[in-house]
Amino acid sequence: AQSVTQLDSQVPVFEEAPVELRCNYSSSVSVYLFWYVQYPNQGLQLLLKYLSGSTLVKGINGFEAEFNKSQTSFHLRKPSVHISDTAEYFCAVHKTSYDKVIFGPGTSLSVIP
Amino acid sequence: DAGVIQSPRHEVTEMGQEVTLRCKPISGHDYLFWYRQTMMRGLELLIYFNNNVPIDDSGMPEDRFSAKMPNASFSTLKIQPSEPRDSAVYFCASSFGSKGDQYFGPGTRLLVL
Repeated sequence: AQSVTQLDSQVPVFEEAPVELRCNYSSSVSVYLFWYVQYPNQGLQLLLKYLSGSTLVKGINGFEAEFNKSQTSFHLRKPSVHISDTAEYFCAVHKTSYDKVIFGPGTSLSVIP
Repeated sequence: DAGVIQSPRHEVTEMGQEVTLRCKPISGHDYLFWYRQTMMRGLELLIYFNNNVPIDDSGMPEDRFSAKMPNASFSTLKIQPSEPRDSAVYFCASSFGSKGDQYFGPGTRLLVL
């Protein structure tokens, strides 16, 4: 069965510090990978996605993620966070041969001034 | 485009009452998804439609839940009768193609007393 693991449920980080949010998935077949962000009291928004090609993917708001097939990981990074980055971040996996997207449990990022 | 529209934004009802949640997807999108989000279970896919046809309803928790999509621009999720454990935020999302980016609505926050 396909699953998505986000090991850190909460990540506090000081403003302007770097951050990495971890995501690992289990799948024996090709996948597409996504990161979504959910700001308080809002729906999810797509941050970035990996479909194919370069394993380093750049998204909105200065975020980037790197696909590592051997480690089945897709960690999200930002070199310098801002207060406005405080939100819930969801990693998601989509098997290329299937319609459904599986979301991870989410990581709550809190940026401390 | 106005994005995915959901109504109502908030709903408070008493146990046993019928609840109907509404969703208008983005024009031109052929996939529609209903999700439920709770602290305990995270984001769960309840059901999704392709071209107005339900494809997978394996996530629908019980027979009390039903969903319809009478046309390409409207879908409903109905709970009858509602129970306190149904309290959650319900999201509707739409995409163009199964591999397309999912666009989420703002959600309906349901509280069943």
